Amino acid sequence: DIQMTQSPSSLSASVGDRVTITCQASHDIRNSLNWYQQKPGKAPNLLIYDAFNLATGVPSRFSGSGSGTDFNFTISSLQPEDFATYYCQQYQNLPPGFGPGTKVDIK
Amino acid sequence: QVHLVQSGAEVKKPGSSVKVSCKASGGTFSSYSMSWVRQAPGQGLEWVGRIIPMFGLANYAQKFQGRVTITADESTSTAYMELSSLRFEDTAVYYCARGESGHEFSFHYWGQGTLVTVSS
Repeated sequence: DIQMTQSPSSLSASVGDRVTITCQASHDIRNSLNWYQQKPGKAPNLLIYDAFNLATGVPSRFSGSGSGTDFNFTISSLQPEDFATYYCQQYQNLPPGFGPGTKVDIK
Repeated sequence: QVHLVQSGAEVKKPGSSVKVSCKASGGTFSSYSMSWVRQAPGQGLEWVGRIIPMFGLANYAQKFQGRVTITADESTSTAYMELSSLRFEDTAVYYCARGESGHEFSFHYWGQGTLVTVSS
């Protein structure tokens, strides 16, 4: 199975900050990477697919980049509704696997 | 717009089985892969398996092989996930999730989740 890691595991930030999360795959996954946001008690919400494509209805302050084994997810200007946990997910090979998550909370 | 509605919470004894349903509306059911993803309390997301209803073809994560069965009823646009020989560590929220055409593992649509509690 392809292993996914994320860093940091958590971070504290203020409204308006630029936030970047990294995700690394144990093998080359090309651009087969998604990013999800999850709030407590809710199902995850797809934000970015194919490494850099914004899902429908997702604000443009969210962006993704990278290919191969190293990927970044950026929130350009953190908003109050963005405090949540973020997961990367690879789908190059079965089983599709998720990173351990990055919790973004209020500084 | 695709909408996925899951069955309600379950409390089960260790060693028993649970069957969770996921009814889809809005869009074509048969030709899209439906996955199941679980999340233990305070933990991350874990893919359990998926089915392509049109073919009745299911794939499972190796961890669950032999204990999980995913099926689909095209006549009611409902997918099912049955997990047997339940253990305390199977306590989790189980989600059904679906992608779009050409992106079957990019989960655009999620059910609301079903909490399965394994308790003696």
